[in-house]
Amino acid sequence: ETGVTQTPRHLVMGMTNKKSLKCEQHLGHNAMYWYKQSAKKPLELMFVYNFKEQTENNSVPSRFSPECPNSSHLFLHLHTLQPEDSALYLCASSPDRGRSNQPQHFGDGTRLSIL
Amino acid sequence: KNQVEQSPQSLIILEGKNCTLQCNYTVSPFSNLRWYKQDTGRGPVSLTIMTFSENTKSNGRYTATLDADTKQSSLHITASQLSDSASYICVVGAYSGAGSYQLTFGKGTKLSVIP
Repeated sequence: ETGVTQTPRHLVMGMTNKKSLKCEQHLGHNAMYWYKQSAKKPLELMFVYNFKEQTENNSVPSRFSPECPNSSHLFLHLHTLQPEDSALYLCASSPDRGRSNQPQHFGDGTRLSIL
Repeated sequence: KNQVEQSPQSLIILEGKNCTLQCNYTVSPFSNLRWYKQDTGRGPVSLTIMTFSENTKSNGRYTATLDADTKQSSLHITASQLSDSASYICVVGAYSGAGSYQLTFGKGTKLSVIP
Protein backbone atom coordinates (compact mmCIF):
# COMPACT_ATOMS: atom_id res chain seq x y z
CA GLU A 1 0.00 0.00 0.00
CA THR A 2 1.67 3.20 -1.20
CA GLY A 3 -0.84 5.62 0.26
CA VAL A 4 -1.91 6.76 -3.21
CA THR A 5 -5.10 5.21 -4.59
CA GLN A 6 -6.23 5.47 -8.19
CA THR A 7 -9.61 4.55 -9.62
CA PRO A 8 -10.62 2.96 -11.83
CA ARG A 9 -7.75 0.53 -12.39
CA HIS A 10 -8.90 -0.17 -15.94
CA LEU A 11 -10.97 1.93 -18.34
CA VAL A 12 -12.09 1.27 -21.88
CA MET A 13 -13.76 4.14 -23.66
CA GLY A 14 -14.72 5.27 -27.11
CA MET A 15 -13.26 8.38 -28.68
CA THR A 16 -16.46 10.35 -28.12
CA ASN A 17 -16.92 9.42 -24.46
CA LYS A 18 -16.25 11.58 -21.42
CA LYS A 19 -14.72 9.95 -18.35
CA SER A 20 -12.67 10.93 -15.32
CA LEU A 21 -9.74 9.37 -13.51
CA LYS A 22 -9.50 9.81 -9.76
CA CYS A 23 -6.50 9.90 -7.45
CA GLU A 24 -6.51 10.17 -3.67
CA GLN A 25 -3.50 10.31 -1.36
CA HIS A 26 -3.46 9.64 2.38
CA LEU A 27 0.09 10.82 3.02
CA GLY A 28 -0.51 14.44 3.91
CA HIS A 29 1.43 15.58 0.85
CA ASN A 30 0.95 18.93 -0.83
CA ALA A 31 2.14 18.18 -4.37
CA MET A 32 0.34 15.89 -6.80
CA TYR A 33 1.25 14.80 -10.31
CA TRP A 34 -0.22 13.13 -13.38
CA TYR A 35 2.07 11.01 -15.56
CA LYS A 36 1.52 9.07 -18.79
CA GLN A 37 3.38 5.80 -19.24
CA SER A 38 3.42 4.28 -22.72
CA ALA A 39 5.12 1.04 -23.70
CA LYS A 40 8.88 1.37 -24.20
CA LYS A 41 8.84 5.11 -23.45
CA PRO A 42 9.92 7.01 -20.34
CA LEU A 43 7.28 8.36 -18.00
CA GLU A 44 5.93 11.65 -19.30
CA LEU A 45 4.97 14.31 -16.78
CA MET A 46 1.61 15.84 -17.68
CA PHE A 47 0.52 18.13 -14.85
CA VAL A 48 1.77 19.25 -11.44
CA TYR A 49 -0.26 20.73 -8.61
CA ASN A 50 1.38 22.25 -5.53
CA PHE A 51 -0.88 23.31 -2.66
CA LYS A 52 -3.90 22.92 -4.99
CA GLU A 53 -2.48 25.29 -7.58
CA GLN A 54 -1.46 24.04 -11.02
CA THR A 55 2.21 24.81 -11.44
CA GLU A 56 3.05 22.84 -14.56
CA ASN A 57 1.30 21.81 -17.76
CA ASN A 58 3.73 20.09 -20.10
CA SER A 59 2.02 20.99 -23.36
CA VAL A 60 -0.74 18.48 -22.76
CA PRO A 61 -3.62 18.53 -25.29
CA SER A 62 -6.78 20.18 -24.03
CA ARG A 63 -8.69 16.90 -24.27
CA PHE A 64 -7.02 16.18 -20.90
CA SER A 65 -8.32 18.46 -18.17
CA PRO A 66 -6.97 18.19 -14.59
CA GLU A 67 -8.74 19.23 -11.43
CA CYS A 68 -7.38 19.45 -7.89
CA PRO A 69 -10.13 20.39 -5.41
CA ASN A 70 -7.84 19.89 -2.40
CA SER A 71 -4.36 18.58 -1.59
CA SER A 72 -5.63 15.01 -1.18
CA HIS A 73 -7.56 14.61 -4.41
CA LEU A 74 -6.66 14.89 -8.07
CA PHE A 75 -8.79 14.22 -11.12
CA LEU A 76 -8.07 13.90 -14.80
CA HIS A 77 -11.09 14.58 -16.97
CA LEU A 78 -11.00 12.96 -20.41
CA HIS A 79 -12.99 13.81 -23.52
CA THR A 80 -12.71 13.05 -27.23
CA LEU A 81 -9.52 11.08 -26.76
CA GLN A 82 -7.46 9.55 -29.56
CA PRO A 83 -6.18 5.97 -29.91
CA GLU A 84 -2.63 7.16 -29.15
CA ASP A 85 -3.86 8.23 -25.72
CA SER A 86 -4.12 4.58 -24.71
CA ALA A 87 -1.57 4.17 -21.90
CA LEU A 88 -1.10 3.74 -18.17
CA TYR A 89 -1.90 6.96 -16.32
CA LEU A 90 -0.07 7.30 -13.04
CA CYS A 91 -0.77 9.66 -10.19
CA ALA A 92 1.96 10.57 -7.71
CA SER A 93 2.36 12.75 -4.66
CA SER A 94 5.25 14.27 -2.71
CA PRO A 95 5.53 16.47 0.37
CA ASP A 96 6.15 19.66 -1.61
CA ARG A 97 7.08 20.36 -5.25
CA GLY A 98 10.00 22.45 -4.06
CA ARG A 99 11.61 19.77 -1.85
CA SER A 100 13.64 18.03 -4.51
CA ASN A 101 15.16 15.25 -2.39
CA GLN A 102 11.85 13.71 -1.39
CA PRO A 103 10.66 10.67 -3.37
CA GLN A 104 7.39 10.72 -5.22
CA HIS A 105 4.86 8.13 -4.14
CA PHE A 106 2.97 6.59 -7.03
CA GLY A 107 -0.42 4.99 -7.29
CA ASP A 108 -0.88 1.79 -9.28
CA GLY A 109 -2.29 3.63 -12.25
CA THR A 110 -5.32 3.48 -14.51
CA ARG A 111 -4.86 1.39 -17.65
CA LEU A 112 -6.74 3.34 -20.34
CA SER A 113 -7.73 1.86 -23.66
CA ILE A 114 -9.30 4.01 -26.37
CA LEU A 115 -11.38 2.17 -28.95
CA LYS B 1 18.95 17.99 -24.06
CA ASN B 2 18.63 16.15 -20.75
CA GLN B 3 18.66 12.41 -21.24
CA VAL B 4 18.81 9.26 -19.13
CA GLU B 5 19.95 6.07 -20.83
CA GLN B 6 19.58 2.68 -19.16
CA SER B 7 21.17 -0.61 -20.06
CA PRO B 8 20.46 -3.34 -20.69
CA GLN B 9 16.88 -2.97 -21.90
CA SER B 10 16.10 -6.39 -20.48
CA LEU B 11 17.91 -9.01 -18.46
CA ILE B 12 17.20 -12.60 -17.42
CA ILE B 13 19.06 -14.11 -14.47
CA LEU B 14 18.81 -17.20 -12.33
CA GLU B 15 17.43 -16.94 -8.83
CA GLY B 16 20.21 -16.40 -6.31
CA LYS B 17 22.55 -14.68 -8.76
CA ASN B 18 23.70 -11.08 -8.58
CA CYS B 19 23.17 -8.49 -11.30
CA THR B 20 24.01 -4.87 -12.07
CA LEU B 21 21.89 -2.39 -13.99
CA GLN B 22 23.42 0.71 -15.58
CA CYS B 23 22.25 4.29 -15.91
CA ASN B 24 24.07 7.05 -17.84
CA TYR B 25 22.77 10.59 -17.85
CA THR B 26 23.43 13.92 -19.46
CA VAL B 27 21.17 15.89 -17.11
CA SER B 28 22.61 19.16 -15.88
CA PRO B 29 22.85 20.77 -13.39
CA PHE B 30 22.54 17.57 -11.38
CA SER B 31 20.51 17.56 -8.17
CA ASN B 32 19.83 13.92 -7.34
CA LEU B 33 19.45 10.47 -8.85
CA ARG B 34 16.72 8.00 -7.98
CA TRP B 35 16.08 4.36 -8.65
CA TYR B 36 12.52 3.06 -8.74
CA LYS B 37 11.20 -0.48 -8.95
CA GLN B 38 7.99 -1.05 -10.91
CA ASP B 39 6.28 -4.41 -10.61
CA THR B 40 4.00 -5.45 -13.48
CA GLY B 41 0.62 -3.78 -13.10
CA ARG B 42 1.79 -1.55 -10.25
CA GLY B 43 3.18 1.95 -9.88
CA PRO B 44 6.88 2.69 -9.36
CA VAL B 45 8.24 2.43 -5.82
CA SER B 46 11.29 4.38 -4.68
CA LEU B 47 14.39 2.31 -3.85
CA THR B 48 17.08 4.97 -3.33
CA ILE B 49 17.77 8.67 -3.75
CA MET B 50 21.34 9.95 -3.97
CA THR B 51 22.58 13.52 -4.02
CA PHE B 52 25.79 14.83 -5.55
CA SER B 53 27.82 14.12 -2.43
CA GLU B 54 26.74 10.49 -2.05
CA ASN B 55 28.43 7.77 -4.06
CA THR B 56 26.65 4.74 -2.63
CA LYS B 57 23.38 3.95 -0.92
CA SER B 58 21.84 0.64 0.06
CA ASN B 59 18.29 -0.57 0.61
CA GLY B 60 18.40 -4.19 1.68
CA ARG B 61 19.75 -6.27 -1.21
CA TYR B 62 19.76 -3.23 -3.49
CA THR B 63 22.87 -1.04 -3.65
CA ALA B 64 23.05 2.03 -5.86
CA THR B 65 26.28 3.76 -6.79
CA LEU B 66 26.81 7.18 -8.29
CA ASP B 67 29.79 8.67 -10.12
CA ALA B 68 28.85 12.29 -10.69
CA ASP B 69 32.07 12.95 -12.60
CA THR B 70 31.32 10.39 -15.30
CA LYS B 71 27.54 10.83 -14.91
CA GLN B 72 26.95 7.16 -14.33
CA SER B 73 24.98 5.18 -11.79
CA SER B 74 24.48 1.50 -11.22
CA LEU B 75 22.00 -0.58 -9.26
CA HIS B 76 23.39 -3.82 -7.90
CA ILE B 77 21.02 -6.55 -6.78
CA THR B 78 22.48 -9.22 -4.53
CA ALA B 79 21.20 -12.78 -4.21
CA SER B 80 18.26 -12.17 -6.52
CA GLN B 81 14.79 -13.43 -5.68
CA LEU B 82 11.81 -14.16 -7.88
CA SER B 83 10.14 -11.06 -6.44
CA ASP B 84 12.91 -8.91 -7.92
CA SER B 85 11.35 -9.46 -11.34
CA ALA B 86 10.27 -5.96 -12.32
CA SER B 87 11.26 -2.90 -14.31
CA TYR B 88 13.91 -0.69 -12.72
CA ILE B 89 13.74 2.98 -13.61
CA CYS B 90 16.55 5.51 -13.22
CA VAL B 91 15.43 9.11 -12.68
CA VAL B 92 17.63 12.21 -12.52
CA GLY B 93 16.54 15.48 -10.96
CA ALA B 94 17.84 18.89 -11.96
CA TYR B 95 16.99 22.53 -11.59
CA SER B 96 16.38 24.29 -14.89
CA GLY B 97 17.70 27.72 -15.78
CA ALA B 98 14.34 29.17 -14.79
CA GLY B 99 14.73 27.66 -11.33
CA SER B 100 12.09 24.99 -11.69
CA TYR B 101 12.84 21.42 -10.63
CA GLN B 102 12.54 18.74 -13.32
CA LEU B 103 12.84 14.96 -13.32
CA THR B 104 14.16 13.09 -16.36
CA PHE B 105 13.14 9.44 -16.54
CA GLY B 106 14.92 6.55 -18.20
CA LYS B 107 12.99 3.90 -20.14
CA GLY B 108 13.83 1.28 -17.52
CA THR B 109 15.47 -2.14 -17.47
CA LYS B 110 13.15 -5.12 -17.37
CA LEU B 111 14.59 -7.78 -15.07
CA SER B 112 13.31 -11.35 -15.04
CA VAL B 113 14.49 -13.69 -12.31
CA ILE B 114 13.87 -17.34 -13.12
CA PRO B 115 14.03 -20.39 -10.84
